Amino acid sequence: GAVVSQHPSWVICKSGTSVKIECRSLDFQATTMFWYRQFPKQSLMLMATSNEGSKATYEQGVEKDKFLINHASLTLSTLTVTSAHPEDSSFYICSARPRQGGNQPQHFGDGTRLSIL
Amino acid sequence: KNEVEQSPQNLTAQEGEFITINCSYSVGISALHWLQQHPGGGIVSLFMLSSGKKKHGRLIATINIQEKHSSLHITASHPRDSAVYICAVKVARSQGNLIFGKGTKLSVKP
Repeated sequence: GAVVSQHPSWVICKSGTSVKIECRSLDFQATTMFWYRQFPKQSLMLMATSNEGSKATYEQGVEKDKFLINHASLTLSTLTVTSAHPEDSSFYICSARPRQGGNQPQHFGDGTRLSIL
Repeated sequence: KNEVEQSPQNLTAQEGEFITINCSYSVGISALHWLQQHPGGGIVSLFMLSSGKKKHGRLIATINIQEKHSSLHITASHPRDSAVYICAVKVARSQGNLIFGKGTKLSVKP
């Protein structure tokens, strides 16, 4: 079955550090990838939609200069949390939609748990 | 009011019991997903459906588009079914992003 690899799984770092999270579709091409964030006991919330070769579309309230998204190829999207602060600590998860789109289900990565000290 | 509501929030069952989790939504959708999230956080897609009923092993998912309601059933539940089950809808005429319910935490006791 389709697999999405997300790396790293865990990150613990100091306040002010920038953190890059990678999301790769391993056996399919994904023109669209989605980045979600989940705070404890809350539902997943869409942060941004990443389209290959174009700028990401950010949801209201998500700072595009803080959460940099790059979708340089059909199999890789990256999310960089710049100058991370403790309030950015959360569970970040990506999903990828196969190139065929339509009725294809999204496939999720295993998520990245980010802790900012 | 959330666009996707799930019930119950928490569910404890004995091994072997039949389990039902409900999902109601208030937006127009093109598809509905049932997802399983384990304690580590990873998410597995169980079903994607836009009408009728789907079955996979001991899991059954149904959707009623007119009533904007879906149910996930687990037959002969087992402790390994313990997880958070999330209903998510794909909004009609969108890029495909999902709106998620808050999840139902299921614990199956041996």
